[in-house]
Amino acid sequence: GAVVSQHPSWVICKSGTSVKIECRSLDFQATTMFWYRQFPKQSLMLMATSNEGSKATYEQGVEKDKFLINHASLTLSTLTVTSAHPEDSSFYICSASGGGQTDTQYFGPGTRLTVL
Amino acid sequence: QKEVEQNSGPLSVPEGAIASLNCTYSDRGSQSFFWYRQYSGKSPELIMSIYSNGDKEDGRFTAQLNKASQYVSLLIRDSQPSDSATYLCAVNTGFQKLVFGTGTRLLVSP
Repeated sequence: GAVVSQHPSWVICKSGTSVKIECRSLDFQATTMFWYRQFPKQSLMLMATSNEGSKATYEQGVEKDKFLINHASLTLSTLTVTSAHPEDSSFYICSASGGGQTDTQYFGPGTRLTVL
Repeated sequence: QKEVEQNSGPLSVPEGAIASLNCTYSDRGSQSFFWYRQYSGKSPELIMSIYSNGDKEDGRFTAQLNKASQYVSLLIRDSQPSDSATYLCAVNTGFQKLVFGTGTRLLVSP
């Protein structure tokens, strides 16, 4: 149980374009989803927390107009990187919590974004 | 500043040995604690959670929590080369969020 999927697993795009990443909880209802970013050899950095049906709460320093998060249902959250630039190239990972253990986060497999 | 501290390593152990990974946290009000394993280029995978003082065992893994000392540890018995990864300690300080340590890299040599 507690399976989280992400799509796509990797994406390459041109500078200035937008990229949407999907995060789905497959076998439980995720009341809360989290989006992280991880640069090579660095730790996870929380970008934002989203609850179903509510606006996302962004961490300090994360541009909410650049990283659009939608949590429209209990099984789906999306992260859209708008007007992507090479410095946005990173490993984006979502996690979800819900069900019986509401404070346990289960991670998706991640999406590797490369912006040319 | 709520912090979680881990030694970055690498911690090198021979195959079959016990690996001991340690973590300290600063927020005395923390209630739940987690260990994740992350292989290079992959996302974190939950190993186990612990909520109460003492030991919690799951297969070859034992988590230990001492809230008075603000200390969490993970023991891996009979370490295997496949255990070589970065181990992340995470602490729930409230408000749904986890605070992660920077991770300890474990190398298990055959």
